[in-house]
Amino acid sequence: GQNIDQPTEMTATEGAIVQINCTYQTSGFNGLFWYQQHAGEAPTFLSYNVLDGLEEKGRFSSFLSRSKGYSYLLLKELQMKDSASYLCAASDSNYQLIWGAGTKLIIKP
Amino acid sequence: GAVVSQHPSWVICKSGTSVKIECRSLDFQATTMFWYRQFPKQSLMLMATSNEGSKATYEQGVEKDKFLINHASLTLSTLTVTSAHPEDSSFYICSARSITGVPTEAFFGQGTRLTVV
Repeated sequence: GQNIDQPTEMTATEGAIVQINCTYQTSGFNGLFWYQQHAGEAPTFLSYNVLDGLEEKGRFSSFLSRSKGYSYLLLKELQMKDSASYLCAASDSNYQLIWGAGTKLIIKP
Repeated sequence: GAVVSQHPSWVICKSGTSVKIECRSLDFQATTMFWYRQFPKQSLMLMATSNEGSKATYEQGVEKDKFLINHASLTLSTLTVTSAHPEDSSFYICSARSITGVPTEAFFGQGTRLTVV
């Protein structure tokens, strides 16, 4: 079956670094997406990885290992506005997105 | 990035009435649109996938006669919740993607919060 696993909740301190992990099992693979979702709002696109390695985009970086079925989202210099849910989604062979349950990130001053 | 507009943002309706939600891709042709519902503190639940010009594919457990989906053009899909009941109250989100070209990721509408009283 197809499955995405990510932690339910994480807590970090303002200014620090946090890494949110995601493991996936899909029928075929066409990339791994990370989305940010604030409460009551729709998800917004953060990153897309289809090749192994690290993609850096400002304070956010995303890593993919296809052989391990593993990805992480790294957030640096955390700000209070980064408090949100972070959704991991894998694209299968039919380009359907398989969604994780989301990781709620709580930032403390 | 690509823009997807969803309307209305929120709606309150009486039990037994029908509500239509529109999803438009403003600057790209959406060959595929997805409709999700999301309950508080839960992840997205895919309801159905619609491809332009063909019938929607519904996920298991989603009543196709209750949640009517129309995708008549490459820029518009609609979801109609028929004979709404309080248990249909939820956050409904559409997303659109263009398989035929860039972008391949899904872009989301702003969501519609439906409250049935």
